[in-house]
Amino acid sequence: GQSLEQPSEVTAVEGAIVQINCTYQTSGFYGLSWYQQHDGGAPTFLSYNALDGLEETGRFSSFLSRSDSYGYLLLQELQMKDSASYFCAVSGDNAGNMLTFGGGTRLMVKP
Amino acid sequence: EAQVTQNPRYLITVTGKKLTVTCSQNMNHEYMSWYRQDPGLGLRQIYYSMNVEVTDKGDVPEGYKVSRKEKRNFPLILESPSPNQTSLYFCASSFIGREREGYTFGSGTRLTVV
Repeated sequence: GQSLEQPSEVTAVEGAIVQINCTYQTSGFYGLSWYQQHDGGAPTFLSYNALDGLEETGRFSSFLSRSDSYGYLLLQELQMKDSASYFCAVSGDNAGNMLTFGGGTRLMVKP
Repeated sequence: EAQVTQNPRYLITVTGKKLTVTCSQNMNHEYMSWYRQDPGLGLRQIYYSMNVEVTDKGDVPEGYKVSRKEKRNFPLILESPSPNQTSLYFCASSFIGREREGYTFGSGTRLTVV
């Protein structure tokens, strides 16, 4: 089986940097993904890490440490529109496509 | 436009009345999956399909059925809905072996069973 833990809520101010952590337990591992979901909307894909290290996509970066079963999503230059829920998801067990999601972190960006 | 289309967006039904939620994708994805989302529980997988006529159970399959007769369609069937199936449902699809592209999700179906 697989399980993931992430904080339920994080608050930050506009322009700041915020880090959302995710720890996971899985019997097999292909990679760690991150998704963003605005209230009332569908999850949208942000990033994927299969190997240790940092992946950068614009203002967002994602980090993975396979030995620590740990990853994080880093959001820089926060904007009000970044207020959303962020989910980490691990693919493992049977195939790289099957994702198990964490419970989500609600990020509130304040002016 | 590349997309996953779910219908309906909202549905209120009564206990025991069979219903189907449709899901269609136009990206030629092999992999399709259904998730339900409940407060504090994240997204839990109901069923998935690796290709036509290949389906398998996810983490919470009880009370649901699926079929994959065509590559583009993956309907979710509730034969006898119960109130504990009240939830927000998402269909998702992706290419197999292209994890870096992630899933594409549909807009969601909010189901209420009374």
